[in-house]
Amino acid sequence: AQSVAQPEDQVNVAEGNPLTVKCTYSVSGNPYLFWYVQYPNRGLQFLLKYITGDNLVKGSYGFEAEFNKSQTSFHLKKPSALVSDSALYFCAVRDRGSTLGRLYFGRGTQLTVWP
Amino acid sequence: DADVTQTPRNRITKTGKRIMLECSQTKGHDRMYWYRQDPGLGLRLIYYSFDVKDINKGEISDGYSVSRQAQAKFSLSLESAIPNQTALYFCATSDPGPGDNEQFFGPGTRLTVL
Repeated sequence: AQSVAQPEDQVNVAEGNPLTVKCTYSVSGNPYLFWYVQYPNRGLQFLLKYITGDNLVKGSYGFEAEFNKSQTSFHLKKPSALVSDSALYFCAVRDRGSTLGRLYFGRGTQLTVWP
Repeated sequence: DADVTQTPRNRITKTGKRIMLECSQTKGHDRMYWYRQDPGLGLRLIYYSFDVKDINKGEISDGYSVSRQAQAKFSLSLESAIPNQTALYFCATSDPGPGDNEQFFGPGTRLTVL
């Protein structure tokens, strides 16, 4: 079975401070991993993905994520948070061995960046 | 988001009514998906279609049906709406690719069933 856990419903951080949004996953094989962001009244937007290779993946808006196979984690990070980063963030996983190609999403983490 | 459009954007209806939500895409993708989003539950897959002739149930298909009218169009129907189907509904598309292609989401339809 495939699943994604985002252990924090909410993350609060002051502007200018580093932020981390946590994600752990479970797949039967090797994963493709994704982060999406949802701004109010908008659909989900793709931020970044891990396919293979370098464990540190860089994405849009200065975000990056680190793939850790031993800990089955794919935490989203940004060195210096902006108020405009405040949004709902979703982690998603796909088993690369699956022919179905379905994404499994976490429940989401609400990030609030205080000025 | 403009490449994937959903109509209507907001809908209020009554219990027992039949509702259709429509999705159109100009990305030329074969794969299309319907999700519902509920607070604290993330996105749950209702139905997905890998091409016009291929439709599959997702995690929560009960009470829903779909129609893939063309490569670019994928409609979701609630045959007899009930209040617990009140949610935000998203359509998404993707390329088949090697499995690592991201999904592109529409802006969502907010459905309220009274």
